[in-house]
Amino acid sequence: EDQVTQSPEALRLQEGESSSLNCSYTVSGLRGLFWYRQDPGKGPEFLFTLYSAGEEKEKERLKATLTKKESFLHITAPKPEDSATYLCAVRPSGGSNYKLTFGKGTLLTVNP
Amino acid sequence: EADIYQTPRYLVIGTGKKITLECSQTMGHDKMYWYQQDPGMELHLIHYSYGVNSTEKGDLSSESTVSRIRTEHFPLTLESARPSHTSQYLCASSEGKHSGNTIYFGEGSWLTVV
Repeated sequence: EDQVTQSPEALRLQEGESSSLNCSYTVSGLRGLFWYRQDPGKGPEFLFTLYSAGEEKEKERLKATLTKKESFLHITAPKPEDSATYLCAVRPSGGSNYKLTFGKGTLLTVNP
Repeated sequence: EADIYQTPRYLVIGTGKKITLECSQTMGHDKMYWYQQDPGMELHLIHYSYGVNSTEKGDLSSESTVSRIRTEHFPLTLESARPSHTSQYLCASSEGKHSGNTIYFGEGSWLTVV
């Protein structure tokens, strides 16, 4: 069964304090790994898609990396506006191509 | 970036009422989805559509129904709402030409059944 585990469940940082969020996954082949940001009461906002081990993508203070078993979302010098829940999802290569399996997310709080 | 519109954003209704959550997208995406998300929990797929007149149930069992008569429109209906239906419902869409294509989400509809 496909599984996605995100850690930590919650992370509190001071402004400027860099850190990383982890997404560990177990799938029968990976068709894509997705990172989303979700603000309270809103829908997930797309950040990155990673397709193969070794791939990296960056956007402003965020950088996503992928290995065969996990992905990291690195946050460099975060600001209070980076506070949100970050969701990881995987699309397995077996079965229907519509399915995304989501983790529970990491709630990030950045204090000024 | 996708433009997906959901209405209503927030709704409180009584038990036994019929409710339709509206979802529209303007990108001409072939695939559309409904996810359900309880606070602090994972998103679970409840319905999806590959195109007009094509709908399938997702992984999470749901008493809701959907229809896809037009490419841009994918409404979700609950014939008789119950308190157990209280949740956030998220509509999403993707291009569908490549299986790795990104799924884009709307802002969500918060449903409370009293």
